Amino acid sequence: QVQLVESGGGVVQPGGSLRLSCAASEFTFRGYGMHWVRQAPGKGLEWVAFIRDDGKTSYYAHSVLGRFTISRDNSKNMSYLQMNSLRPEDTAVYYCAKDPSGWSGAFDFWGQGSMVTVSS
Amino acid sequence: EIALTQSPATLSAFPGERATLSCRASQSVNTFLAWYQQKPGQAPRLLIYDASDRAAGIPARFSGSGSGTDFTLTISSLEPDDSAVYYCQQRKNWPLTFGGGTRVEIK
Repeated sequence: QVQLVESGGGVVQPGGSLRLSCAASEFTFRGYGMHWVRQAPGKGLEWVAFIRDDGKTSYYAHSVLGRFTISRDNSKNMSYLQMNSLRPEDTAVYYCAKDPSGWSGAFDFWGQGSMVTVSS
Repeated sequence: EIALTQSPATLSAFPGERATLSCRASQSVNTFLAWYQQKPGQAPRLLIYDASDRAAGIPARFSGSGSGTDFTLTISSLEPDDSAVYYCQQRKNWPLTFGGGTRVEIK
């Protein structure tokens, strides 16, 4: 069964940085695109970023463009989300999600999430 | 950016009843629409992709329909375990977007 395990969340001050990691297993990681989706406390889902299977193409939500960077290491079966210039409105549970193909834009498996709190 | 509007915000029904959830897009998404179920404290789960295809392991009581701008998720006979928030999501254009969700409560 596909497994996605996020790590790296925590409490950070406004303007600070944090890097989330997503460890993938039980599927051929290099063959699939990967996403990050977030959910603010008590709110709905918001797609954040996507990276294609080969790592050469990425897309971002307008709200994080220029501040967040998605990356992946296919040799380690890992996906990352580097978050800079964090704002209180970035407070959320961040989910790593697998794309059903190289870059279809859907999410067929999800991790359990990593909480990020931006507060002074 | 394509906006998705879900209705109703909350649906309350008895076990065995039929539930119909709606998702309307601000512009055509063809059939590039998915539905997800999220229970409290859990990650979302893919139910339906490409408007009407059930994901692996999803019970047949869940079905999706629609194309263009109007979509429906139907739960043919509600079970207590179906209590959750349901989200639609489009993959026609970047950025990917979700609807605001419909909460399904079982009486």
